[in-house]
Amino acid sequence: GENVEQHPSTLSVQEGDSAVIKCTYSDSASNYFPWYKQELGKRPQLIIDIRSNVGEKKDQRIAVTLNKTAKHFSLHITETQPEDSAVYFCAASRDNYGQNFVFGPGTRLSVLP
Amino acid sequence: KAGVTQTPRYLIKTRGQQVTLSCSPISGHRSVSWYQQTPGQGLQFLFEYFSETQRNKGNFPGRFSGRQFSNSRSEMNVSTLELGDSALYLCASSPGTSPKLQFFGPGTRLTVL
Repeated sequence: GENVEQHPSTLSVQEGDSAVIKCTYSDSASNYFPWYKQELGKRPQLIIDIRSNVGEKKDQRIAVTLNKTAKHFSLHITETQPEDSAVYFCAASRDNYGQNFVFGPGTRLSVLP
Repeated sequence: KAGVTQTPRYLIKTRGQQVTLSCSPISGHRSVSWYQQTPGQGLQFLFEYFSETQRNKGNFPGRFSGRQFSNSRSEMNVSTLELGDSALYLCASSPGTSPKLQFFGPGTRLTVL
């Protein structure tokens, strides 16, 4: 089955700096990769996703890159703000009819003022 | 549209008891997935229901079961509770077809004493 690894487990950056979180997956059939942000005591919220036919996707300060050959994908946050502090989860899924997501263990991002 | 709702939000049970959790998806969504979230194991997929049928199943023992009703509302049942079942149980709602967008509910925090 699919296995998703995520690094680093914790990340501290100064406000205004960039943050990068990396994930690797094992199942070459996976082709949908969402990222979720979970603030303390709240539900995970989808922030960006990418499909295997795309190498990069951007949404304002957030971008995701995908390397299918190497089976890794990364989340990039630029100009970080204190409200970006949260736990970020990556996930991988096959684009079949099922909704079986395998999540990474999460990265706790702290943006220091 | 109203978001995903889960009831109850908090639950305290003792070992050996059984519990039923409820999830109401976003109107029009036909897929409901259930996840267990713990500090040690992260987000783990339990199962997914689509049109009243279990479409995917994770690696959890048979004590964990679920069902979905014709209005897409779903229930999850855990029998013979163990201390290790203490967790945040999240359900996620999705249209059920591509794109594979999932929206999480607020979760039910189950504590087993």
